[in-house]
Amino acid sequence: AQSVTQLDSQVPVFEEAPVELRCNYSSSVSVYLFWYVQYPNQGLQLLLKYLSGSTLVKGINGFEAEFNKSQTSFHLRKPSVHISDTAEYFCAVSNFGNEKLTFGTGTRLTIIP
Amino acid sequence: DGGITQSPKYLFRKEGQNVTLSCEQNLNHDAMYWYRQDPGQGLRLIYYSQIVNDFQKGDIAEGYSVSREKKESFPLTVTSAQKNPTAFYLCASGVSASEQYFGPGTRLTVT
Repeated sequence: AQSVTQLDSQVPVFEEAPVELRCNYSSSVSVYLFWYVQYPNQGLQLLLKYLSGSTLVKGINGFEAEFNKSQTSFHLRKPSVHISDTAEYFCAVSNFGNEKLTFGTGTRLTIIP
Repeated sequence: DGGITQSPKYLFRKEGQNVTLSCEQNLNHDAMYWYRQDPGQGLRLIYYSQIVNDFQKGDIAEGYSVSREKKESFPLTVTSAQKNPTAFYLCASGVSASEQYFGPGTRLTVT
């Protein structure tokens, strides 16, 4: 079985400051990892994904994430946030050959002007 | 304009009534998924289908039913057996679990 833990339910950050949203996963086999963003009352949009190769993954809107196998983590980072980054962010995991995504409970990012 | 459509955006029903949520995609994806989202619980998988005329239960299938008669369509019925049907429902499609695209969602309120 696979699982995802997002320890921070809410993260407030000042505009133009850096941010890190934490994600840890549990799986007995190799994983694929994802970060999605959800704006209020909308569906989810894929920010970035790790399938294989380089452990540093760059996504849309200036976000990046680093896959750390030894720490079973896939933290999301942005060096300078903007008001428009206010949203809920979900980490998700799937295994090779498994057609299901398992989502974390989400982190609400609030940007303070 | 390719994408996934869900209708309606808001849906209100009385307790004890079945209700069907629509999901259509024109991305030519084989796989389609239904998720339920509740505050503080993330997304939970209800049903998924990898091919026409075939579907599998997800983690919380009780009280729900689906059909997949066409590649483009994957409607979800919330039956009266679902004890807590009020939620935000999201449909997705994709080539596989590693490439899922989400619709805008339907917010169902049952009173």
